[in-house]
Amino acid sequence: QQQVKQSPQSLIVQKGGISIINCAYENTAFDYFPWYQQFPGKGPALLIAIRPDVSEKKEGRFTISFNKSAKQFSLHIMDSQPGDSATYFCAASKGGFQKLVFGTGTRLLVSP
Amino acid sequence: GAGVSQSPRYKVAKRGQDVALRCDPISGHVSLFWYQQALGQGPEFLTYFQNEAQLDKSGLPSDRFFAERPEGSVSTLKIQRTQQEDSAVYLCASSLRRLAGATGELFFGEGSRLTVL
Repeated sequence: QQQVKQSPQSLIVQKGGISIINCAYENTAFDYFPWYQQFPGKGPALLIAIRPDVSEKKEGRFTISFNKSAKQFSLHIMDSQPGDSATYFCAASKGGFQKLVFGTGTRLLVSP
Repeated sequence: GAGVSQSPRYKVAKRGQDVALRCDPISGHVSLFWYQQALGQGPEFLTYFQNEAQLDKSGLPSDRFFAERPEGSVSTLKIQRTQQEDSAVYLCASSLRRLAGATGELFFGEGSRLTVL
């Protein structure tokens, strides 16, 4: 049973464009929703995270939008750069713990 | 060290061999996690330590998998009688605190890629 569904599987965006990645979850007990960025041969690195008491969180070019009633959250990357080309994973956990359930990942390619 | 260090980075094992994967967490980090990442998939939780105590091992796929952290720092993930389905990247992560948040960021190592022939 896949508890966190992520889409799209891959995404190509032109430099300067907006990259949007979506995730949906099933377990209403989830209360911590991070996004991780992973480059080839490296471990995932925390990008930005949100808790369900807010609907949006912005850090630089990265924004999480959260819709509790729809059980969906998304990552927006503004002014996408070639250096943003990586695999992005959404995740969720209960109780704010670090025992994360990850989505299947989105491979983003930002063309120059 | 500056980050989470894992060794070996690459391991090729014949089916039936035992393997041991090592994780050196960031100094002072209380929480340590092991995740398994199959090719093209997201990481999946295996087990969790708080200091030397293994508090959650619900993600270990079989009794062939065993993890320890005897002194609350370095951890070893051992896989006995390896099978082809064990082929994956094994990621170790550590955190200063058990809970996520401003001081609870999870730091991942680069992983140990296991290939079972």
